[in-house]
Amino acid sequence: TQTVSQSDAHVTVFEGDSVELRCNYSYGGSIYLSWYIQHHGHGLQFLLKYYSGNPVVQGVNGFEAEFSKSDSSFHLRKASVHWSDSAVYFCAVRKNYGSSGNKLIFGIGTLLSVKP
Amino acid sequence: GGIITQTPKFLIGQEGQKLTLKCQQNFNHDTMYWYRQDSGKGLRLIYYSITENDLQKGDLSEGYDASREKKSSFSLTVTSAQKNEMAVFLCASSNTGGAREQYFGPGTRLTVL
Repeated sequence: TQTVSQSDAHVTVFEGDSVELRCNYSYGGSIYLSWYIQHHGHGLQFLLKYYSGNPVVQGVNGFEAEFSKSDSSFHLRKASVHWSDSAVYFCAVRKNYGSSGNKLIFGIGTLLSVKP
Repeated sequence: GGIITQTPKFLIGQEGQKLTLKCQQNFNHDTMYWYRQDSGKGLRLIYYSITENDLQKGDLSEGYDASREKKSSFSLTVTSAQKNEMAVFLCASSNTGGAREQYFGPGTRLTVL
């Protein structure tokens, strides 16, 4: 069984600060991890993914995430946040059904608030 | 690029009422999904469909029906709305074989009086 845990419900930082949003997963098969962002009143948007290769993956708008098998983690980072990064961030693990679709298991989300 | 459209944006219903939510995508994606989003609970999969006329139950299918009328559209029916229910229903689509990221619509916000 694959599960994903986001331990921080709410993170508050100031504009220009660095931030790390945490995600831990339980491993139950082939790895596929991703992050999504949801601005208030909108649907989710894909940020980045990892399934093999370099454990540090780059996404849009300066976000990156690092996969760690030993820690069962896939934390999201940004070196310098902007107020427009304020949103809810969801970590997701794919449950691999092969040809029957890509079912994602989502964490409960972390609300990032960026203060000016 | 493509877009996912969900109608209506806001849906207000009465207890026991049957309510239908609609979703259209022009990505030409094979797979479509319906999720329910509740505050503090993340997203839970209700139904998904890997091709036209296909239906697969998710983790939260009880109390819902779905229909994949054609490749571009996927509708969800709340069979009997529960009093004081409030949630956002999100539709998404993805390729099945290639890129695996899901693309989401803006959501339908349901309120049951």
